[in-house]
Amino acid sequence: KNEVEQSPQNLTAQEGEFITINCSYSVGISALHWLQQHPGGGIVSLFMLSSGKKKHGRLIATINIQEKHSSLHITASHPRDSAVYICAVLIQGAQKLVFGQGTRLTINP
Amino acid sequence: NAGVMQNPRHLVRRRGQEARLRCSPMKGHSHVYWYRQLPEEGLKFMVYLQKENIIDESGMPKERFSAEFPKEGPSILRIQQVVRGDSAAYFCASSPNQKETQYFGPGTRLLVL
Repeated sequence: KNEVEQSPQNLTAQEGEFITINCSYSVGISALHWLQQHPGGGIVSLFMLSSGKKKHGRLIATINIQEKHSSLHITASHPRDSAVYICAVLIQGAQKLVFGQGTRLTINP
Repeated sequence: NAGVMQNPRHLVRRRGQEARLRCSPMKGHSHVYWYRQLPEEGLKFMVYLQKENIIDESGMPKERFSAEFPKEGPSILRIQQVVRGDSAAYFCASSPNQKETQYFGPGTRLLVL
């Protein structure tokens, strides 16, 4: 079993829909990252959080440390949001990121 | 303030050759991380360096791979005697310290023929 599990693996939705991507982890962490990767492209760090909730534009990330679970929400989704979204955790006491397999999001116009 | 720079962006090597991947961290960042993304797989940690020191290389293959981050100049990931299985995207990230977020470079896509 991977230390970081994301669901769903693939998600297709219509423009305007509310999107939720989930991430569960099984190890102690000091922080959790949400990353975005476009096909053939680089990686953009969307959020780093260790508790509570963060919001940036149409993106919202939440984390529940006790339940070892985080969610990434996208409101009013748009085709340009189509990308792979990756959850990554910073292992407690170490500095390496452990990554989920990613969620491939496709937003149709 | 330029972001993390990686070069080359694309690198083609024949089996047995050497590959050198360069990463220039963001200005003011002294922590560098290398990650590998194999085709159709997720990202995997390789090595974490601070200036002139390797802090954690637990994700590095034991043979043929080495990394450095000299006092002056970029961090280098070196792969000797490349094999087809080394074909992947190699990403570098940097941060100013252990507690700040890591910023990723655009990656180097290595293809071994």
